[in-house]
Amino acid sequence: QVQLVQSGAEVKKPGSSVKVSCKASGGTFSSYSINWVRQAPGQGPEWMGDISPMFGVANYAQKFQGRVTITADVSASTAYLELSSLRSDDTAVYFCARDYAVKAPYFAHWGQGTLVTVSS
Amino acid sequence: EIVLTQSPGTLSLSPGERATLSCRASQSVYSSYLAWYQQKPGQAPRLLIYGTSSRATGIPDRFSGSGSGADFTLTISRLEPEDFAVYYCQQYGSPPWTFGQGTKVEIK
Repeated sequence: QVQLVQSGAEVKKPGSSVKVSCKASGGTFSSYSINWVRQAPGQGPEWMGDISPMFGVANYAQKFQGRVTITADVSASTAYLELSSLRSDDTAVYFCARDYAVKAPYFAHWGQGTLVTVSS
Repeated sequence: EIVLTQSPGTLSLSPGERATLSCRASQSVYSSYLAWYQQKPGQAPRLLIYGTSSRATGIPDRFSGSGSGADFTLTISRLEPEDFAVYYCQQYGSPPWTFGQGTKVEIK
């Protein structure tokens, strides 16, 4: 079965960057887009962007354009989220999630989440 | 971007009762591409419904979805103890994909 395992919690200073990884097992990594969704404390989920590992093409929510980079290493079955110029309101749990099927961006498979805390 | 507004914010019900949750979009959702998730504390969301009314694998039939255009509903026919959680809707008809702010179903 599909499993997504994320890297561990991070504590960062304002203005710095963070990179979170998401390693997939089961299924065919390159066939389905990997999405990044964050959830601030007490808030609903927020979609940040996705990547097609097969084509290496990433799409980003406009809110994060210029600050976010999503990449994928097919040989390692791993996707990455990098967020720069961190602010306190970037404190959230960051999840990776796989498309349910090709061009079906709803999510049955999720990583366990990575808590990113931004604090001086 | 499409804004999803869920109501009520909190629903206080007893086990065995029927729960009706609403999700209203700021504009029509293309092809009714609307999903519902359940989330419990410390866990990732769990997919319940996609395409407005199709249940995901392993989801009991007490969960059902309906709606069209900009108005959608998740119904839980008879609440089981494990159903008390927060529920989110998500539209995937127009990028960026967006989620509602959630409805908490709590034990009365």
